[in-house]
Amino acid sequence: EAQVTQNPRYLITVTGKKLTVTCSQNMNHEYMSWYRQDPGLGLRQIYYSMNVEVTDKGDVPEGYKVSRKEKRNFPLILESPSPNQTSLYFCASSFQLAGATQYFGPGTRLTVL
Amino acid sequence: AQSVTQPDIHITVSEGASLELRCNYSYGATPYLFWYVQSPGQGLQLLLKYFSGDTLVQGIKGFEAEFKRSQSSFNLRKPSVHWSDAAEYFCAVGVKNFNKFYFGSGTKLNVKP
Repeated sequence: EAQVTQNPRYLITVTGKKLTVTCSQNMNHEYMSWYRQDPGLGLRQIYYSMNVEVTDKGDVPEGYKVSRKEKRNFPLILESPSPNQTSLYFCASSFQLAGATQYFGPGTRLTVL
Repeated sequence: AQSVTQPDIHITVSEGASLELRCNYSYGATPYLFWYVQSPGQGLQLLLKYFSGDTLVQGIKGFEAEFKRSQSSFNLRKPSVHWSDAAEYFCAVGVKNFNKFYFGSGTKLNVKP
């Protein structure tokens, strides 16, 4: 089954404790992206990757890191989480962008205390 | 700066009634336009998209949207709403060779029996 998976689905952590949210897709997509969703703000793009070793900032990259060492995986790293990073996070992937449909993962709900 | 505006935060319609959800964007050129739906606790699913050509586009689940360049709008419509359409709807634009995406803040649709 074609899908985007994220782990963990739920995470409660404390300020400053490094964490990684994994994202994996089995559709051989070149493009992958991370978003955060906050009430009243919709989804905001954090980082995106056009292919292996090619990443770029979205609208709200501060406090986040990403890497794209393999085509299928695009982890989101919070080196020193803060409470304002409490949010619902979505990973998405698609084929090359022209005409592409993004497929979204199920989301990761992160709470930083 | 690019922006996407969905002026209606909540909309309630009766089952069987028609629906129109508004979306306006701000961008120097014609972007790629999308409508996504998010059911409670789920990720996002693409309803339809516009790239070029016919300004009236058909999507899944009986939805359609019309691109109006003069109004910078891309409103979503459905002639007869079903109870299962209750969800949150997001308008989005793709810019910068479609690597960057901007989402509106969403419109929550309630459907009355």
